Amino acid sequence: EAGVTQSPTHLIKTRGQQVTLRCSPISGHTSVYWYQQALGLGLQFLLWYDEGEERNRGNFPPRFSGRQFPNYSSELNVNALELEDSALYLCASSHTEGRGPETQYFGPGTRLLVL
Amino acid sequence: GIQVEQSPPDLILQEGANSTLRCNFSDSVNNLQWFHQNPWGQLINLFYIPSGTKQNGRLSATTVATERYSLLYISSSQTTDSGVYFCAVISGGSYIPTFGRGTSLIVHP
Repeated sequence: EAGVTQSPTHLIKTRGQQVTLRCSPISGHTSVYWYQQALGLGLQFLLWYDEGEERNRGNFPPRFSGRQFPNYSSELNVNALELEDSALYLCASSHTEGRGPETQYFGPGTRLLVL
Repeated sequence: GIQVEQSPPDLILQEGANSTLRCNFSDSVNNLQWFHQNPWGQLINLFYIPSGTKQNGRLSATTVATERYSLLYISSSQTTDSGVYFCAVISGGSYIPTFGRGTSLIVHP
């Protein structure tokens, strides 16, 4: 069974540019979560998609957005990049039952550097 | 929202030593997971353990939900155990995991 995949693995952008990160969940998982992990820090929740809908978002500005496709893959878009957006962006997938996601499985992440 | 505190923040061990990592949380939880983030950034599931005890090789975990804490035990540590260990919980109907700040573990040969 293939795990969660993310692309690209690394990315270098300049301030003001836009970036799109991609995530493919484990087959059968309908939920995708996005997290930001700045250097040396913990994981900050960004966005949660389930069954094609945005279910919740963390405390991030609107220039962070995304979507989930009918095949449950997801994109994270960041507009007007700022230096502090440099981070590891992690995607996780899971089943979501009545008591919340059962087990989250993470992809390898995308390392974004903004110059 | 729920607060998650992990201790110790940093741990340095000699290969072969045992260790206990702790995760305290401020409210009842529906879901608790332990992860290991390796030096390349990959988060690896260790345990899904909202309550009870589980073991997997040299690792074991216990969650005492009524007392709002979980422990991760690492026995006979190896250099490959190095990395950051995170505890993540879900409480109530939020569906959003809250992560602790992690315990950074270095195992020297």
